Amino acid sequence: SQQGEEDPQALSIQEGENATMNCSYKTSINNLQWYRQNSGRGLVHLILIRSNEREKHSGRLRVTLDTSKKSSSLLITASRAADTASYFCATDEGNRDDKIIFGKGTRLHILP
Amino acid sequence: NAGVTQTPKFQVLKTGQSMTLQCAQDMNHEYMSWYRQDPGMGLRLIHYSVGAGITDQGEVPNGYNVSRSTTEDFPLRLLSAAPSQTSVYFCASSGFEGYTFGSGTRLTVV
Repeated sequence: SQQGEEDPQALSIQEGENATMNCSYKTSINNLQWYRQNSGRGLVHLILIRSNEREKHSGRLRVTLDTSKKSSSLLITASRAADTASYFCATDEGNRDDKIIFGKGTRLHILP
Repeated sequence: NAGVTQTPKFQVLKTGQSMTLQCAQDMNHEYMSWYRQDPGMGLRLIHYSVGAGITDQGEVPNGYNVSRSTTEDFPLRLLSAAPSQTSVYFCASSGFEGYTFGSGTRLTVV
């Protein structure tokens, strides 16, 4: 069974706007990660947020984590055409190993 | 650094054939894993390894074998290929700040 679920499944916005994607998960976690996948390519790690962190920034990316609601959000500000991709959240299951489970992803399309 | 290297990039198999997908990493990561990605399904974990000599099953292990004789290599074996194994396969290794993925192997079983 999948641990994380992204919402929405697909999102289209105008270039320059902000894009927000959400992830909900089921069990306690040690950390949550966000990845990007361009069409036909492998996944690229974007950001990792630990369970004791509430917010993390990396360039135009802002990730929040609410462990009480078992949810996370990824905000991409000032979107660009190159941000068109699928975005996945991935969570561990609170175990000591590094095994992570991915959600089905959000397909983001930036319109010119 | 090469990161995670997967070979081959493309493969076509006939039903019943066997093959090995290769994965190698040069980052001295202990943790490695194999995923398959199908349309609309996201990534599903097949097998993973927390270090040399140690492997474990993920979400969808049936029809696949793995071994981890060295830290660097984590091959995935298809024992008797089936059309349901047509997919894109990704190998990944895990460092302190997240996973590094290979570029994938697109496998078609006819």
